Amino acid sequence: AQSVTQLDSHVSVSEGTPVLLRCNYSSSYSPSLFWYVQHPNKGLQLLLKYTSAATLVKGINGFEAEFKKSETSFHLTKPSAHMSDAAEYFCVVSPLWGYQKVTFGTGTKLQVIP
Amino acid sequence: GAVVSQHPSRVICKSGTSVKIECRSLDFQATTMFWYRQFPKQSLMLMATSNEGSKATYEQGVEKDKFLINHASLTLSTLTVTSAHPEDSSFYICSARVPSQGFTEAFFGQGTRLTVV
Repeated sequence: AQSVTQLDSHVSVSEGTPVLLRCNYSSSYSPSLFWYVQHPNKGLQLLLKYTSAATLVKGINGFEAEFKKSETSFHLTKPSAHMSDAAEYFCVVSPLWGYQKVTFGTGTKLQVIP
Repeated sequence: GAVVSQHPSRVICKSGTSVKIECRSLDFQATTMFWYRQFPKQSLMLMATSNEGSKATYEQGVEKDKFLINHASLTLSTLTVTSAHPEDSSFYICSARVPSQGFTEAFFGQGTRLTVV
């Protein structure tokens, strides 16, 4: 069994300030974890993924996330928010192996204030 | 990475008609594909698991007769929304998992935004 909890449904930051989007997971298996971004009326874009290699994962557009097994967390960060970062972000968990489904978090809407 | 192609990206249909959405794996074979649905301002929820050559497995609460899934080949799964109604308006997305460097990675289609008028 697996689940993912995104602790904030809405985050608002000023342009140029850091971004922190929180995600906690639960999995009976060794997990792989992902962050996806969805801009309004668009599909999903993969930001980054953790697949049991380095615990600090760097993604596109300056985003990174750290896998912390002891805290069962996979928080997404960015040092400086840009207006174009305003979107919905989904944390996703799936078993590392096999062909089972992936499970999405409920999403965090990031608002960037000019 | 692997490519999952989904068509159409947008479709508007009249209430009572049926709509077919295709999901193709372009450079790999997928014995299993997943169909998700996203209602406005909500997350993506698994509707069903599509299995090549056998019946799909539906999640609780998803009407099998309304959402027909066919996975007749290793590269194509289709979702047909039958007798569509405005409440079926949603974003539908398919996914497949592919072996990749010691793990299986999930790839997603571009999604289909269905509007029923």
